[in-house]
Amino acid sequence: KAGVTQTPRYLIKTRGQQVTLSCSPISGHRSVSWYQQTPGQGLQFLFEYFSETQRNKGNFPGRFSGRQFSNSRSEMNVSTLELGDSALYLCASTDLDGPNSPLHFGNGTRLTVT
Amino acid sequence: AQSVTQLDSQVPVFEEAPVELRCNYSSSVSVYLFWYVQYPNQGLQLLLKYLSGSTLVESINGFEAEFNKSQTSFHLRKPSVHISDTAEYFCAVIRTGGSYIPTFGRGTSLIVHP
Repeated sequence: KAGVTQTPRYLIKTRGQQVTLSCSPISGHRSVSWYQQTPGQGLQFLFEYFSETQRNKGNFPGRFSGRQFSNSRSEMNVSTLELGDSALYLCASTDLDGPNSPLHFGNGTRLTVT
Repeated sequence: AQSVTQLDSQVPVFEEAPVELRCNYSSSVSVYLFWYVQYPNQGLQLLLKYLSGSTLVESINGFEAEFNKSQTSFHLRKPSVHISDTAEYFCAVIRTGGSYIPTFGRGTSLIVHP
């Protein structure tokens, strides 16, 4: 099976712009989660989607949003970019509910806001 | 809510030396515990997990971790490290009866010198 695929790998945007990141989960995985990784904060949970519905949400402002399509592919959008949004954004998928089902991560999208 | 503390942001060691990466957690309920590893320019991969049963869990590449309920710790150890173990290591917890969204520590960078 192909792993979790995130596109693009790198993005450079200007403050105030918006950006959309894409994630294709492992085939058959219905849960997709998004994390923001920065050197100072580690991994911060953004949100989780399951069967096209946002099931869990972290403590991020409304500028961060996401969605999931019927084929489980997911996108996240960040509007009105700020310098502090520069980070590695990781997507993870899993096939079952429960702690016995590990997260499978993509290689991430590195976003730089100038 | 649960929290995870990784006491060391960076651990430098020489090849073939033993290493311990420390992880402490805080939770009002029982938890499941995980270690993930992130190699350069990649996403995270599950290294090992504790769900129940034996408090000592092992990975396929020689790492082990021991769940210590009284000290609320889940330290990761390896008796002899290799250059290829150089990576970022993340401890994570999921509280029982919750949403199965893990809370991650800020990570420990293991740097193995020849």
